[in-house]
Amino acid sequence: TQLLEQSPQFLSIQEGENLTVYCNSSSVFSSLQWYRQEPGEGPVLLVTVVTGGEVKKLKRLTFQFGDARKDSSLHITAAQPGDTGLYLCAGRGGSGGYQKVTFGIGTKLQVIP
Amino acid sequence: NAGVMQNPRHLVRRRGQEARLRCSPMKGHSHVYWYRQLPEEGLKFMVYLQKENIIDESGMPKERFSAEFPKEGPSILRIQQVVRGDSAAYFCASSDSVEKLFFGSGTQLSVL
Repeated sequence: TQLLEQSPQFLSIQEGENLTVYCNSSSVFSSLQWYRQEPGEGPVLLVTVVTGGEVKKLKRLTFQFGDARKDSSLHITAAQPGDTGLYLCAGRGGSGGYQKVTFGIGTKLQVIP
Repeated sequence: NAGVMQNPRHLVRRRGQEARLRCSPMKGHSHVYWYRQLPEEGLKFMVYLQKENIIDESGMPKERFSAEFPKEGPSILRIQQVVRGDSAAYFCASSDSVEKLFFGSGTQLSVL
């Protein structure tokens, strides 16, 4: 079973601060995705990283995939209240033609105005 | 282009009743996934279906739970003889490939 650990589980910061959240596993994934989920809604895909060491930027969000494709980080610069939500990482991996998507428990972020 | 539609949004059942959760995937999507989410827990995979076929049901409890994705119509997650521990948010996702999942808004099941 492939497990993804996310840290921290909860994070409360002031508007304008920077933050980094982490997603770690002992398993290698063929790709890793980050989703954001707001209360009462389903997760929405933010980014997919595929290559070890890959860095992707989405406005103030920077995503990095570890060289060994076992871990990832999400860095948010100058956080805003609109960034509040549950951030989930999801790894895709497995043998054969079917690669299962496994989700971490998530980081609940609160940005205080 | 309508997104993934789940209904009902909220479902209340008494212990022992049946719960039927529906999911209409995005147009053109033939892959459907069901996940369960409890407060302070992540999304737990339940089942992955393609049209008329169950591909992976390793996350489904062996009893009382079943899923289908018929040739015509929505995917259905059925829970028979519900118990309080079945209370959770159930999310459906669809995709047209193996890379990108689009989620519905979920069904919140409450068992009294």
